[in-house]
Amino acid sequence: GAVVSQHPSWVICKSGTSVKIECRSLDFQATTMFWYRQFPKQSLMLMATSNEGSKATYEQGVEKDKFLINHASLTLSTLTVTSAHPEDSSFYICSARRTELETQYFGPGTRLLVL
Amino acid sequence: AQTVTQSQPEMSVQEAETVTLSCTYDTSESNYYLFWYKQPPSRQMILVIRQEAYKQQNATENRFSVNFQKAAKSFSLKISDSQLGDTAMYFCAFMKRGGAQKLVFGQGTRLTINP
Repeated sequence: GAVVSQHPSWVICKSGTSVKIECRSLDFQATTMFWYRQFPKQSLMLMATSNEGSKATYEQGVEKDKFLINHASLTLSTLTVTSAHPEDSSFYICSARRTELETQYFGPGTRLLVL
Repeated sequence: AQTVTQSQPEMSVQEAETVTLSCTYDTSESNYYLFWYKQPPSRQMILVIRQEAYKQQNATENRFSVNFQKAAKSFSLKISDSQLGDTAMYFCAFMKRGGAQKLVFGQGTRLTINP
């Protein structure tokens, strides 16, 4: 199998603070990870592609200064929501690409609530 | 750009019945993958099945099988002997081989298995 973890699973924060979400591939190395956002009853929306050792590639309309992505190792990518506001409240999901299978495996997601 | 369409927003069947979820896609690419992911109430995205476009044989995984019609750009998922645990949102996804390997998701089909 291919296991991807995310931490934390749930976070509540005050408006104006920053929140960091970690995504780890536990049993394989991932040079590429992806960050998604999912609104209730909707499909996944790709935010950015995270590449180990280089800058992330952001999708159109996603503010790179607000959603900071760091992929410092082959098993860890982090998403930091800076100066969070209530409209940033959402479900954030990461995935890690298993290169030899050309398949993305997903973490369990993080529910963010900004008060 | 690729698009994925799931025309059935919701479906409901009785336990032990067989159900087929529809998916069509549009692409000019010849080399790609197609996936079905399920998202149960826990919201964890789980890979159900994967199909390589250059393989004519339909992929199967236990009770799950696909009907891949490349010329028609159709990729339906059949669930046999449905179980209560199959209740979930099902997403069809397209991925071009090579390059960034981003997933393009359909809108999803909410499947309910009734006892």
